[in-house]
Amino acid sequence: DSGVTQTPKHLITATGQRVTLRCSPRSGDLSVYWYQQSLDQGLQFLIQYYNGEERAKGNILERFSAQQFPDLHSELNLSSLELGDSALYFCASSVERGTDTQYFGPGTRLTVL
Amino acid sequence: AQSVTQLDSHVSVSEGTPVLLRCNYSSSYSPSLFWYVQHPNKGLQLLLKYTSAATLVKGINGFEAEFKKSETSFHLTKPSAHMSDAAEYFCVVTLTGGFKTIFGAGTRLFVKA
Repeated sequence: DSGVTQTPKHLITATGQRVTLRCSPRSGDLSVYWYQQSLDQGLQFLIQYYNGEERAKGNILERFSAQQFPDLHSELNLSSLELGDSALYFCASSVERGTDTQYFGPGTRLTVL
Repeated sequence: AQSVTQLDSHVSVSEGTPVLLRCNYSSSYSPSLFWYVQHPNKGLQLLLKYTSAATLVKGINGFEAEFKKSETSFHLTKPSAHMSDAAEYFCVVTLTGGFKTIFGAGTRLFVKA
């Protein structure tokens, strides 16, 4: 158990809908990262937050957004969902910077029908 | 620009024989390098991490990796494979300062009895 929690574990929704994925980092970790893992794209870095502020952006679509709240939990919002958004979404946390070890949550499996 | 190349998408070994998973990286800056393992339907777990302290890095479960700057490689090895090592392995690079994390495409390790 990494200490990172993600909810929900599974999510099934329809095209065009909007969903929110939630992540609670390990106690004391200030950085949160979001990743998308799909069969065709592999593991892709989406975005990083540090202490409430956006730190780095990867291959995140404009339909996707994230935020980190004062209590350091983070949410990833996915809107206008398409079939291709079906994937496993991981959250990770680290103490501070990207060179620190990242601890991964168990993931949220999103299925878009 | 940074990149990570895992040279084998699949590796198959017999139980008790050595494991070699190959990773080459490209980075304009001093990189931090990681190996993570993902068991089926699980999150990612850190195996080991290189951050310029020592070129030979020992990780969990008997794995180790050697950083070779001249070859820009960070290959993962284990002297004797165990059935429980069957999983997907990811080589990861982050820039010093940590503003971006790049995962390799992954190598799936099969262990035959």
